Amino acid sequence: NAGVTQTPKFQVLKTGQSMTLQCAQDMNHEYMSWYRQDPGMGLRLIHYSVGAGITDQGEVPNGYNVSRSTTEDFPLRLLSAAPSQTSVYFCASSRTAPGETQYFGPGTRLLVL
Amino acid sequence: AQKVTQAQTEISVVEKEDVTLDCVYETRDTTYYLFWYKQPPSGELVFLIRRNSFDEQNEISGRYSWNFQKSTSSFNFTITASQVVDSAVYFCALSGPNAGKSTFGDGTTLTVKP
Repeated sequence: NAGVTQTPKFQVLKTGQSMTLQCAQDMNHEYMSWYRQDPGMGLRLIHYSVGAGITDQGEVPNGYNVSRSTTEDFPLRLLSAAPSQTSVYFCASSRTAPGETQYFGPGTRLLVL
Repeated sequence: AQKVTQAQTEISVVEKEDVTLDCVYETRDTTYYLFWYKQPPSGELVFLIRRNSFDEQNEISGRYSWNFQKSTSSFNFTITASQVVDSAVYFCALSGPNAGKSTFGDGTTLTVKP
């Protein structure tokens, strides 16, 4: 049982490049979420999904796309990277009942030059 | 809208001191859930505790204890007899009915010196 996995662990991009951050979970959780963590700040919600085929925006969705074709995977796409997207990205999953604990992946550190 | 405030940005204590981390929240939900996470220097997020809005009982787990007071919208975290390994960033978080949407505070960086 690997829990929540994220790849890559670290990535450097140039401004304008696109890339996909991968997230997978093997706990059969319906809920999956993407957060970003900037220095000195807490996690802010980018996008979340309540199940395959269903996604919604969080607090800071601009510049990011998501899709959820399977229960296990929830990739985050940066369409045209900007230096403001330099951050640590965390993926999380949880069961559907209210108040369920979110399980977090190890994070992806992204640097946009 | 939900909001979580951790007013203490950084706290430094000497080993064996007790320390309390403050968390104040705002929400319009009548049912909500509060969490504390620890982020050690290695960067992962470690779940510490969850509390729902109907349960105001304080909780103790070893050297950790939590004080939830709805009247003041606070969910404070106390570490008794702190240790160097407690050095980390601690986050308080709040969620409503949707388990996938949490609002985090900005975190408190705790440094425990030997």
